[in-house]
Amino acid sequence: QLVVTQSPSATAALGASVKLTCTLGAGLDKYAVAWHQKQPQKGPRFLMKINSDGGHNRGDGIPDRFSGSSSGVERVLTISSLQLEDEADYFCQTWGAGIRSFGGGTKLTVL
Amino acid sequence: EVQLVESGGGLVKPGESLRLSCTASGFPFSTYSLNWVRQAPGKGLEWVASISSTNNYREYADSVKGRFTISRDNAENSLYLEMNSLRDGDTAVYFCSRDEVLALGIGGMDVWGQGTTVTVSS
Repeated sequence: QLVVTQSPSATAALGASVKLTCTLGAGLDKYAVAWHQKQPQKGPRFLMKINSDGGHNRGDGIPDRFSGSSSGVERVLTISSLQLEDEADYFCQTWGAGIRSFGGGTKLTVL
Repeated sequence: EVQLVESGGGLVKPGESLRLSCTASGFPFSTYSLNWVRQAPGKGLEWVASISSTNNYREYADSVKGRFTISRDNAENSLYLEMNSLRDGDTAVYFCSRDEVLALGIGGMDVWGQGTTVTVSS
C-alpha cells in the first residue's frame, strides 16, 4: 500500500502563486511522484515528475510557471502567475513494487 | 503526435461484462508499460490495473482483482480491459495511460487518453 495524501482544496488569487502539497506515507521518502491536472470533461494531463531530491521535469508543453520541490515525504507543486485556466483538480501519483497509487486530489480555485 | 484513444464504454447491468480498448499512436508501443485508471462521478482518480511492456507482468487494484483482466496486443498497438461481474461501484470514466520509461524501470504516468464512460445500472 502506497499512501498518498493531499489537502482537498486550495484557493488563490489570479496572478498569485500557490503551493499544492503531496505527502507520502511513512518510509516513502525516496519515492518520486508525478503530478497530474484534471479538468472537467477532459483526460488527465501530466504536469511533472518530482524526485526525492527535489529534481523535477515538466511534461511536454507545460510552462515554467509550474515548478516542483521536495522535502522528506512532501512533494510540492508550485504554480506561479495563476491563470483562470489553472482552476482544476490536481492529483499526485506514486508507484512502486508494481502498483500505482493516487492521492485524493486537490481542487484548486482561482479567484 | 503521441496519443491514446479509449473506446468500448457503455451502459450495462450489474453482473454483465464489458471490454474496453485503448489504441495508441505516435510512440513505440511495445516498449512501454500501460495502465487503466478510472474516475467515478465526483471522486478522484483510482488506479485499476497495469501491464508490463512484454505482457508478462500484470497488477490489479484489490477492488477489481479476480473480475478484471488487463491485456495488450503489441502488434495492434492496443491495450484492453476485460471487465466481468460488473457492479454499480464500477461506474466511472476509464482512462488508459502510459508509464514513463526510465533506465532502471518505470516512472510515473506521462501520457493519458480522453477516457470512455462505463455505467453499471439496472
